[in-house]
Amino acid sequence: KAGVTQTPRYLIKTRGQQVTLSCSPISGHRSVSWYQQTPGQGLQFLFEYFSETQRNKGNFPGRFSGRQFSNSRSEMNVSTLELGDSALYLCASSLRVWDYSSGANVLTFGAGSRLTVL
Amino acid sequence: GQNIDQPTEMTATEGAIVQINCTYQTSGFNGLFWYQQHAGEAPTFLSYNVLDGLEEKGRFSSFLSRSKGYSYLLLKELQMKDSASYLCAVREGKLIFGQGTELSVKP
Repeated sequence: KAGVTQTPRYLIKTRGQQVTLSCSPISGHRSVSWYQQTPGQGLQFLFEYFSETQRNKGNFPGRFSGRQFSNSRSEMNVSTLELGDSALYLCASSLRVWDYSSGANVLTFGAGSRLTVL
Repeated sequence: GQNIDQPTEMTATEGAIVQINCTYQTSGFNGLFWYQQHAGEAPTFLSYNVLDGLEEKGRFSSFLSRSKGYSYLLLKELQMKDSASYLCAVREGKLIFGQGTELSVKP
C-alpha cells in the first residue's frame, strides 16, 4: 500500500514568487492536513481538508491557501514568498476528519517538501 | 490558548531507560499522541492516550494524566536507532504539536 506522496521533495524559490505543493494521500484516506516544520517553531498546523472542504485552519496569513480535489489529493499554495517561509511542509492523511466517534484517527505523514526561499 | 511543552534535548546511554515529559494547556482535549521523527524523515506514530493511565507497546510506553495536563513517553532498553526527535501532540479538533524533544543515544 503506497504511503503519502508529496511533490516536489525539494525546491528553491526567490522572495515574491509563489509556490504550489502537492500531496497524494494513502488510498482510501479522505482527510488531508498540512503542517509547516521549522527548527524554531516545530510543527505548526496550517489547515485540514475533508471532502473538498476546509475543516480547520491554523494561524497563518492569507498568503497560505489550500484545496482538496474529489480524489482526495490536495495542494497548498504560498503566494508572495518571504524568507521566513523557508521550511519543511508536511502533509498527513487520515481515514476521515476527526470527530468524537472516530477514536484516535491517526495521521500518516509524507516525507515533506523542503522549500528554500532566497 | 494552546501550549505544549517538552524538553528540547535529552541524552541517554544505550541499554538505559529514558522518560520524555510533555505538559499541555489546550482549550480542548480529545487525546494525546506521541510521534517519532528521524532526521530527514516523516514523523511516524508511536502511541495514543485518551484515558488516564499507561499504554504499553513493546519497548515504548506512554502515560497520561488529564487532570495534571501531563504525559510521558518511556523508552526502555535504548538502542542507537532510537536517536530521533519525539513529538507530543494534543488533539483538540485539529492536532497540535509540541516542538519536539531531540533524543541522542550514546554508546
